[in-house]
Amino acid sequence: EAQVTQNPRYLITVTGKKLTVTCSQNMNHEYMSWYRQDPGLGLRQIYYSMNVEVTDKGDVPEGYKVSRKEKRNFPLILESPSPNQTSLYFCASSLSSGVYNEQFFGPGTRLTVL
Amino acid sequence: AQTVTQSQPEMSVQEAETVTLSCTYDTSESDYYLFWYKQPPSRQMILVIRQEAYKQQNATENRFSVNFQKAAKSFSLKISDSQLGDAAMYFCAYRSNNAGKSTFGDGTTLTVKP
Repeated sequence: EAQVTQNPRYLITVTGKKLTVTCSQNMNHEYMSWYRQDPGLGLRQIYYSMNVEVTDKGDVPEGYKVSRKEKRNFPLILESPSPNQTSLYFCASSLSSGVYNEQFFGPGTRLTVL
Repeated sequence: AQTVTQSQPEMSVQEAETVTLSCTYDTSESDYYLFWYKQPPSRQMILVIRQEAYKQQNATENRFSVNFQKAAKSFSLKISDSQLGDAAMYFCAYRSNNAGKSTFGDGTTLTVKP
């Protein structure tokens, strides 16, 4: 089944403890992206990757890191999480960076930073 | 930078009736795509419909259609014959010609009354 998977789905952590949220897609998509969703603010783009080894900042990149060492994986790294990073996170992928291509979203990761 | 505005935080519709959700955007680009995504309580993001900016014809997908007014930078979603399963949050999204970036509106929560 074609899908985008994220792990973990739920995570409660404490301030300053490094964490990684994994994202993997099995559709051979070139493009991948991370978003955060907060009440009343819609989805805001954190980082995106047009292809392997190519990443760029979205609208809210502060406090996050990403890497794209292989096509299928695009992990989101929080080196020193803070409470304002408590949010619902979505990973998405699309066939290419062409504007026509719809993004397929993962199921989301609910992160709480205490 | 592009902005997307959904001016209706909440809307409600009677089952079998028609409802229109509003979306306006701001851009200086001429080549872009617009999307409507549905997010039911499961939090999964589901593509409803997309519109190419250079196409004057409004997109239609079964009971869902858009009214795309490029000059006015307006992209509304019409849901005909509303069903209980249409109840969800709906997001309008803009995908840039530099297709790495995507911008979402804040969302409209649609309630369908039986």
